Amino acid sequence: GAVVSQHPSRVICKSGTSVKIECRSLDFQATTMFWYRQFPKQSLMLMATSNEGSKATYEQGVEKDKFLINHASLTLSTLTVTSAHPEDSSFYICSARGRGGGYGYTFGSGTRLTVV
Amino acid sequence: GENVEQHPSTLSVQEGDSAVIKCTYSDSASNYFPWYKQELGKRPQLIIDIRSNVGEKKDQRIAVTLNKTAKHFSLHITETQPEDSAVYFCAALDDYKLSFGAGTTVTVRA
Repeated sequence: GAVVSQHPSRVICKSGTSVKIECRSLDFQATTMFWYRQFPKQSLMLMATSNEGSKATYEQGVEKDKFLINHASLTLSTLTVTSAHPEDSSFYICSARGRGGGYGYTFGSGTRLTVV
Repeated sequence: GENVEQHPSTLSVQEGDSAVIKCTYSDSASNYFPWYKQELGKRPQLIIDIRSNVGEKKDQRIAVTLNKTAKHFSLHITETQPEDSAVYFCAALDDYKLSFGAGTTVTVRA
């Protein structure tokens, strides 16, 4: 089945630094990547949607200059949290949708970000 | 946009009993309704889904029902087992985006 590899699984960074999270589709072409954030004991909140080769579309309230998304190829999308602060500490998870669309959404394994 | 409401937020059941989780959605254009099981610190795992042209779907101990007119869908787990303990999320697909419910923490008591 479709697999999305997400790295790193856990990261601790100092306040003010930037962190990059990668999601790779291993056996299919991810034409669309969705990035979610999940705070403890809460639901998944969509942050942004990116299509290969085009700019990401951000959900209301999500700062595009703080959460930089790059989807330069059909197998790789990255989320960079710039100038991270403790309130950015969360579980970040990607979800990929393949070519042809359909109803298949494959989740990455998630990244636990802790900003100290 | 789509708004998905999920109830209850917590559910405790005796092993062997059934568990039912209910969700409602707001956008009649939504046409795909998956259910996910998430264990602590892990990715959501798709356990069952239903499309808008189907009213019911079953997979062993898990079943989902959909009422398009009322815009609600439900997850039914029968003969619950301790390994069913997890957080369950419903979702609705609208315009290629999944909107999630708030989640239900299910605890199966041995």
